[in-house]
Parts: sequence; structure tokens; C-alpha cells
Amino acid sequence: GNSVTQMEGPVTLSEEAFLTINCTYTATGYPSLFWYVQYPGEGLQLLLKATKADDKGSNKGFEATYRKETTSFHLEKGSVQVSDSAVYFCALNSPGYALNFGKGTSLLVTP
Amino acid sequence: GAGVSQSPSNKVTEKGKDVELRCDPISGHTALYWYRQSLGQGLEFLIYFQGNSAPDKSGLPSDRFSAERTGGSVSTLTIQRTQQEDSAVYLCASSLRTTGIFEKLFFGSGTQLSVL
Repeated sequence: GNSVTQMEGPVTLSEEAFLTINCTYTATGYPSLFWYVQYPGEGLQLLLKATKADDKGSNKGFEATYRKETTSFHLEKGSVQVSDSAVYFCALNSPGYALNFGKGTSLLVTP
Repeated sequence: GAGVSQSPSNKVTEKGKDVELRCDPISGHTALYWYRQSLGQGLEFLIYFQGNSAPDKSGLPSDRFSAERTGGSVSTLTIQRTQQEDSAVYLCASSLRTTGIFEKLFFGSGTQLSVL
């Protein structure tokens, strides 16, 4: 079945540090991959997506590349800000299946 | 409405009581999801409705949990004989399901359930 594994948090970084949050998946067929973000006190929202191998999703300075050979979709940002503090969820869906989320990684960025 | 609406926003109940949680999806969205968010457990899939198809109930943790979606719109998640481990935030999401290649989920603010 479909599943997503992401690195456990919490992750604490200083402002302007480089961020990587690892995500790997197992899936049947050809899934689409997503990163969702939940800012404090807010609902989940889509951050970026990739729908096929080698696609790169990007938004708000975040990037993730769909790597079929390593079944990975790691989230990266070159220089984090305090406002990036949130919980990040990796997710995948295959046609006919519900969206499957990882357990979430909490990120805290300190000034 | 403009977004996914859930009610109540908070629910406190006693162990053993039944509770009903309501979700009003975005108009026109054919897919509706229920998830549960617990501390340390992340986002757990519960059930998924897509149009007139039979729902995917594979995530329901026990037979105390059930959900229905009336008229392809509003959905109710029912938890019977609540237990303390049911305490969590219950999230509803909807999407405009197209071919299944990509769908963006829109989440409600959730119902915080506390079982005493």
C-alpha cells in the first residue's frame, strides 16, 4: 500500500540556515507528491507539488524534487526565516486512493 | 461558503458518550476526507468519499467510528462510546477531484475533541 515516511522532528534552526526535511515513499503506480504546511493556529495548506518523476515543485523559496530512483521528495530551503516555523507534512496520492500523509515534522526557526 | 466549514470547533464529552462532527465542504467539490491529528501521531487518514463511489473506510480505527455523506455534500463523522484515546483534532478536507493525477486539498479548521 501507499505510505510516506518523513524525518522526525522537532527541527530547530537559526535564521538563514539551510533546511532539509527528508521524505521517502512507497506507492503503487505513479503517485503525485506534495508538501503541506501548517502554521501555528492555522489549517493545513498546500505548499508545493510534483506530479511526475524529476519534476521540481517550488513555492515561497522551498523546493522539492520528485526522485523516482530513490523514492524521495525531500523539502529544502536555502535560508529559513522565523516565519517558516510550522509543521511540514509530506504526502502522496495515487489515482483512486486518498491522500496519504506522513506524520509531520515540526520546524522552529530562532532569530 | 468560501472554505471548508467544520462544527463544532471544540467538543468536550464524557467517556462512553456518542459524538457527531460535521463537515461542510466547498461547493462543487466531489471528494471529501476525514483525518485525525493527534500529538505525536501526525495526520491519520480515516475515511474518504469520492462522488457516488463507495467510501474508502480503510483508515477507520474501530467499528465505533462511522461517517456518512448526504447528497454528495455535508458529511458527519460519528464516534460511538467515546474513549479517552479518541481525543484529537478531527480535520475535514475537500477537493475538486479531476483525473486523480493531482488534487489540492482544502482543509477546514478542525474539531478539537476532548474525551474526559
